Amino acid sequence: NAGVTQTPKFQVLKTGQSMTLQCAQDMNHNSMYWYRQDPGMGLRLIYYSASEGTTDKGEVPNGYNVSRLNKREFSLRLESAAPSQTSVYFCASSGPQGALAGANVLTFGAGSRLTVL
Amino acid sequence: GENVEQHPSTLSVQEGDSAVIKCTYSDSASNYFPWYKQELGKGPQLIIDIRSNVGEKKDQRIAVTLNKTAKHFSLHITETQPEDSAVYFCAAPHSGAGSYQLTFGKGTKLSVIP
Repeated sequence: NAGVTQTPKFQVLKTGQSMTLQCAQDMNHNSMYWYRQDPGMGLRLIYYSASEGTTDKGEVPNGYNVSRLNKREFSLRLESAAPSQTSVYFCASSGPQGALAGANVLTFGAGSRLTVL
Repeated sequence: GENVEQHPSTLSVQEGDSAVIKCTYSDSASNYFPWYKQELGKGPQLIIDIRSNVGEKKDQRIAVTLNKTAKHFSLHITETQPEDSAVYFCAAPHSGAGSYQLTFGKGTKLSVIP
């Protein structure tokens, strides 16, 4: 089925370890996003890529890096994991809805649950 | 930027009753207001959205109303069913050149009691 695929679904890390979350979409969307979800905090934007070749910081970028590998793929890297990065991470993509600029529908992946000990 | 406040954080209703979730936003330039539903263990999914040029939109049992003057919008679910139990998020655009970021509310956990 078309959509957004995230890997891995679950990961346990020790403090200081590094890892990369992978995301791929097959809807030919231009924009891709990484959010984190914490209890009582909703969804907070970490980084986004408005189009292939560009990336920008969101609300909570510290401790993360991203790579827009091509139009389909957008990865999130934790260089030195900390317990505060324990969270559920969601990748999303969006494309414009017809001629309505500024009204993009986000399609989310199923999430990646990360625990940092 | 945009600040989105969502209330209540939890809501329990009897099956068949109505549920209302409210959100306020801060950026008067915002013109698009979506609602997402997140079922347990899944990613959020768009269920309805509204543009700033209309005051209400309905889709079967769900409706969204928008009051631009007061800068608030609401989700209404009528004749609730157990499968409506989920976390619901409202959102509004975060203004930024060349991007369509959304700022999300903190979510409302809706429980429909059979």
